[in-house]
Amino acid sequence: QSALTQPPSVSGSPGQSVTISCTGTSSDVGSYKRVSWYQQPPGTAPKLIIYEVSNRPSGVPDRFSGSKSGNTASLTISGLQAEDEADYYCSSYTSSSILYVFGTGTKVTVL
Amino acid sequence: EVQLVESGGGLVKPGGSLRLSCAASEFTFTNAWMSWVRQAPGKGLEWVGRIKSKIDGGTTDYAAPVKGRFTISRDDSKNTLYLQMNSLKTEDTAVYYCTTTFCTNGVCYSDYFDYWGQGTLVTVSS
Repeated sequence: QSALTQPPSVSGSPGQSVTISCTGTSSDVGSYKRVSWYQQPPGTAPKLIIYEVSNRPSGVPDRFSGSKSGNTASLTISGLQAEDEADYYCSSYTSSSILYVFGTGTKVTVL
Repeated sequence: EVQLVESGGGLVKPGGSLRLSCAASEFTFTNAWMSWVRQAPGKGLEWVGRIKSKIDGGTTDYAAPVKGRFTISRDDSKNTLYLQMNSLKTEDTAVYYCTTTFCTNGVCYSDYFDYWGQGTLVTVSS
């Protein structure tokens, strides 16, 4: 089971929108709504920001949104802010032997 | 506030063993499904395994790379989660995090990882 594929980096200016893709297979992203996203600022533990494809836990700003189409999930950050600089990881349940697979990670830079 | 504090990391030779602990507080540990997730230096996240609450059977699941070498257990009387790692390989070098299942509005979702500890570094090297 390989990691889900994410772009290594994306960047945007404050106020702009950026979208991070997360491509899997029919064994994971394509078959289940069990997709989540995590934000990891440098030197800290990850934080859950999206669950079940598009739901936000309490306290997560509504500028973070998630979606899914086929084997690809996406995270959009609207109105980019300096504090959004971090690594972002997607995750999905998988029918393979490892149960949960993470993405390769995307570094978001605010210009 | 929920606290998870990992300990037990360190330097170990290939083929060696190590036991990690995760002390939990400020939530009902007995009812929680707990997972271990690791992150190799400068790399991405990797799910290691989980243990269900005793009331849900207390069973464990493991990722293929660690199955047969790692064992997750829990001591609910001490609010502590453990990860026993045997036959360690250099590729097991990582920061190991313990995590809780995400719960909201009285519903817990075993597929998502909510609270995380600060992690403990395990280095496997000769």
